[in-house]
Amino acid sequence: DVKVTQSSRYLVKRTGEKVFLECVQDMDHENMFWYRQDPGLGLRLIYFSYDVKMKEKGDIPEGYSVSREKKERFSLILESASTNQTSMYLCASSHPAWGDLGGEQFFGPGTRLTVL
Amino acid sequence: AQKVTQAQTEISVVEKEDVTLDCVYETRDTTYYLFWYKQPPSGELVFLIRRNSFDEQNEISGRYSWNFQKSTSSFNFTITASQVVDSAVYFCALSEEGGAGGSYIPTFGRGTSLIVHP
Repeated sequence: DVKVTQSSRYLVKRTGEKVFLECVQDMDHENMFWYRQDPGLGLRLIYFSYDVKMKEKGDIPEGYSVSREKKERFSLILESASTNQTSMYLCASSHPAWGDLGGEQFFGPGTRLTVL
Repeated sequence: AQKVTQAQTEISVVEKEDVTLDCVYETRDTTYYLFWYKQPPSGELVFLIRRNSFDEQNEISGRYSWNFQKSTSSFNFTITASQVVDSAVYFCALSEEGGAGGSYIPTFGRGTSLIVHP
């Protein structure tokens, strides 16, 4: 059974703390993604990675950084957490889209982060 | 402007009714990919269907069907004889080429919440 796992389902942190969210996939996918999901705003892409050590900014990268040292693991880092980063964070992975194959994303269960 | 518009924020139906979820997209690319995902109350998004821009064939899978029309830039999703288990948030997504190395970057609509009453 293919899987994307995230390190925590729920996390509570204080303003100014450094926060690490971990994501691991076992499908040998090249692409990995971090989204945040907020009511009424859908899923917004924070960062994605198409290969080890490669990363690209999504639509809302401010206040976040990422790390991909191994193919199966993609970490999201909040350097100094703020209350407006309280949200649901979703990790996803996929093979690259090409012709009739690839592109569909597999999602983790999400981490609900609260910053106090 | 949104690249993927799901104008219906919430739809409420009674079981066994048919329901159509609309998705309109915007792109200048000739090669792109469209997707639908389901997010049940448990929270985990599940992939439903993928279409590439060169394949306008409609698809049917059980009670689910999808209508892809490039002329109107729409990729609508119909559930026939809805059931309570269909209650979820449904997301439409578009992947266009735009990243380094020719990677395709996904953009999601804001989702449509479907509530099916018994």
